Amino acid sequence: AQKVTQAQTEISVVEKEDVTLDCVYETRDTTYYLFWYKQPPSGELVFLIRRNSFDEQNEISGRYSWNFQKSTSSFNFTITASQVVDSAVYFCALSVPGTGRRALTFGSGTRLQVQP
Amino acid sequence: DTEVTQTPKHLVMGMTNKKSLKCEQHMGHRAMYWYKQKAKKPPELMFVYSYEKLSINESVPSRFSPECPNSSLLNLHLHALQPEDSALYLCASSQDLPGQGYSPLHFGNGTRLTVT
Repeated sequence: AQKVTQAQTEISVVEKEDVTLDCVYETRDTTYYLFWYKQPPSGELVFLIRRNSFDEQNEISGRYSWNFQKSTSSFNFTITASQVVDSAVYFCALSVPGTGRRALTFGSGTRLQVQP
Repeated sequence: DTEVTQTPKHLVMGMTNKKSLKCEQHMGHRAMYWYKQKAKKPPELMFVYSYEKLSINESVPSRFSPECPNSSLLNLHLHALQPEDSALYLCASSQDLPGQGYSPLHFGNGTRLTVT
């Protein structure tokens, strides 16, 4: 079975601070995909990034960066110089291909509040 | 702007009412999904359609009835709901079929349902 743990329920920072959202996953499969989604108050889940299990290269996109470490089964997300618009709930998710597999396994989410 | 459109945005219905939620995507995606999301919880999978055929039903009560009239449209018919069914209902689509796991899900803004 697959499991995603986001231990941080809620984080509050002041604008321009850096913040890291933690994600730890569990799976026995060697092929899997990890995702981050952002859910602003409007409700829509916005896809941010996908990583496959064979690609441990970290990625940077503007103020966002992701650190994937198979050794610790973690896929952490860092926002540099946070802005008020970053306030949202962020979900980490896991997908494992295979017959009979379901769709995404979501973590419980981390609510990020960025104060002006 | 989201590429998955859901209507209505808000819906209030009584327990004896019949209503329908609608979802539309024009990305040529092969799979469409219904998720239910309670406050401060991650989305929970309800149904998946693959090539317009129901492929996954996560033991959802029969008062929820999905329908996929064509590859672009997905409906969720509601009848005799309970107050505990009040939630955000999210539609999503993906290029991949469930079990492939690679493609991200594209979500709509959701319908916020209140059952009185």
